[in-house]
Amino acid sequence: DGGITQSPKYLFRKEGQNVTLSCEQNLNHDAMYWYRQDPGQGLRLIYYSQIVNDFQKGDIAEGYSVSREKKESFPLTVTSAQKNPTAFYLCASSPQTGQGGLNQPQHFGDGTRLSIL
Amino acid sequence: SQKIEQNSEALNIQEGKTATLTCNYTNYSPAYLQWYRQDPGRGPVFLLLIRENEKEKRKERLKVTFDTTLKQSLFHITASQPADSATYLCALANQGGKLIFGQGTELSVKP
Repeated sequence: DGGITQSPKYLFRKEGQNVTLSCEQNLNHDAMYWYRQDPGQGLRLIYYSQIVNDFQKGDIAEGYSVSREKKESFPLTVTSAQKNPTAFYLCASSPQTGQGGLNQPQHFGDGTRLSIL
Repeated sequence: SQKIEQNSEALNIQEGKTATLTCNYTNYSPAYLQWYRQDPGRGPVFLLLIRENEKEKRKERLKVTFDTTLKQSLFHITASQPADSATYLCALANQGGKLIFGQGTELSVKP
């Protein structure tokens, strides 16, 4: 079955440490996204990528970095500069973004829950 | 600034009744509106999409309305079942193609 796989499901970060969250999709989608979800808040966009080797900042990119070296993969690194990293992180994909993607649903993984040790 | 509001309080209803969830938005002219279901510890799952020129959309027991004058969408689940218990998210697509999500409404259907 096609879908999005996020790993690990749970992750703990120590002070001053960078951690990387994995996201892989086999849907052949061009666009991929990273969201952060906090209790009582909507999903907030961290970064998105419309094509390999290209990505754009979302609304809350500070303290995070991404790469898109392959179509299938869009890893997110939570750096030590992110002072409040505890959250549920969701990766999503869609066939397209921009004007062509307006009517396309996003497919989500089952998230990674990040906590501070 | 653009804002999306969903019922912040959980909605508790009896099995068999119709659940109605609200999504209001301000400072926004979305071309599309989407509804997702999210179960605890899982990612959201797409349910329905409605365009700005559509008044209503149906899928099995689900119905969505979109009133661009009131800047509101209503999401209905008829003949609700305990398995419908989840958090429901609305999301608006802006002209840049990005989705802006509401905070979600938790629905609990009691047998």
